[in-house]
Amino acid sequence: DTAVSQTPKYLVTQMGNDKSIKCEQNLGHDTMYWYKQDSKKFLKIMFSYNNKELIINETVPNRFSPKSPDKAHLNLHINSLELGDSAVYFCASSLGGDRTEAFFGQGTRLTVV
Amino acid sequence: QQQVKQSPQSLIVQKGGISIINCAYENTAFDYFPWYQQFPGKGPALLIAIRPDVSEKKEGRFTISFNKSAKQFSLHIMDSQPGDSATYFCAASKSGYSTLTFGKGTMLLVSP
Repeated sequence: DTAVSQTPKYLVTQMGNDKSIKCEQNLGHDTMYWYKQDSKKFLKIMFSYNNKELIINETVPNRFSPKSPDKAHLNLHINSLELGDSAVYFCASSLGGDRTEAFFGQGTRLTVV
Repeated sequence: QQQVKQSPQSLIVQKGGISIINCAYENTAFDYFPWYQQFPGKGPALLIAIRPDVSEKKEGRFTISFNKSAKQFSLHIMDSQPGDSATYFCAASKSGYSTLTFGKGTMLLVSP
């Protein structure tokens, strides 16, 4: 069974479109995250949610809006996509607090053309 | 400001050799230091982690060495194998804030 699963794995879209990436974890974790990996493979935190509540937003443009319908799901909606949004987006989860062992999904490669 | 600096950027090691990747951090509040392994097309996977109360942790062929006074930690891969070829990331976080600050990664190639 996949612990952290994301859909879709690949996403190609035109500039200006709106798209969503879905994430689900079956580990019973309280905290979920979105990380962005750029073309140079640098990983950077975007958002952190704990029990459906946003706890960290790392200066991400407000075109990016995470939504957590329950603590097992964290979706990422992106409005008005730009070329610079092209990257791999990873969802991850952990128990939270001091329990920082994070488990990552397989990633969604977003290409904006 | 890069809070976790990782070197080298890339590394080629012969099969059976020792791979060494180094990281240095700036924020003394960091108290959890994991290493992640990433294969192409996959998400990062936790390899091994250490907290500052110990100076070394070993799991199989993988060892973390930690130097609190120097604010440095390193990953040693003993008897490196071609299957170890991947990108390795060091990271750090602080108590109460479970988000990870990553180094820029090291691409390891183990030649047969």
